[in-house]
Amino acid sequence: DAGITQSPRHKVTETGTPVTLRCHQTENHRYMYWYRQDPGHGLRLIHYSYGVKDTDKGEVSDGYSVSRSKTEDFLLTLESATSSQTSVYFCAISDPGTVNTEAFFGQGTRLTVV
Amino acid sequence: QQQVKQSPQSLIVQKGGISIINCAYENTAFDYFPWYQQFPGKGPALLIAIRPDVSEKKEGRFTISFNKSAKQFSLHIMDSQPGDSATYFCAARGNSGGSNYKLTFGKGTLLTVNP
Repeated sequence: DAGITQSPRHKVTETGTPVTLRCHQTENHRYMYWYRQDPGHGLRLIHYSYGVKDTDKGEVSDGYSVSRSKTEDFLLTLESATSSQTSVYFCAISDPGTVNTEAFFGQGTRLTVV
Repeated sequence: QQQVKQSPQSLIVQKGGISIINCAYENTAFDYFPWYQQFPGKGPALLIAIRPDVSEKKEGRFTISFNKSAKQFSLHIMDSQPGDSATYFCAARGNSGGSNYKLTFGKGTLLTVNP
């Protein structure tokens, strides 16, 4: 398995509180992604990063921010959690343009906002 | 705007049958088309992928058929087995770096293979 660790794996939080999810990789891949998975919507890209401090928005970025201060870590922050952000969050890594073009996914973080 | 459309949403097949899942894309800049398999409680894992310079790619019981002019591609699972029961996602990605390297997914197909 690719070296991707998501933490926490499960979290319950209250509406209005800030939440940070962490993705850690040991593969030295350039690209890191945050997706959310919801029934009927598949996997939707929230934000992605193509290098340290280089990030960009995906299709569902409202209410989320990200940071990447080191190659191996990509943090997703919900500034003020809402019930609509209850979801399963997946981190993925890839190194496009190399032999490591495949995207590898972490095990996911199940977030519940009550 | 949904850039990758996947059908059907769900599929029930008998053991030994053929499972077919279809996807269509809009962005002609896409040049890498993977299929992912996801079991409950797990992250998606790459199953098979194709680039548009070939019309078909086969790996074991899994085959991707690709029609560049129609902007369509499909996954065929031959001799489907109960262990193939999972959710399958098609995806597409561009090739020119930056934002084009993000994977865009279809909404997924829940495959059930009955014994």
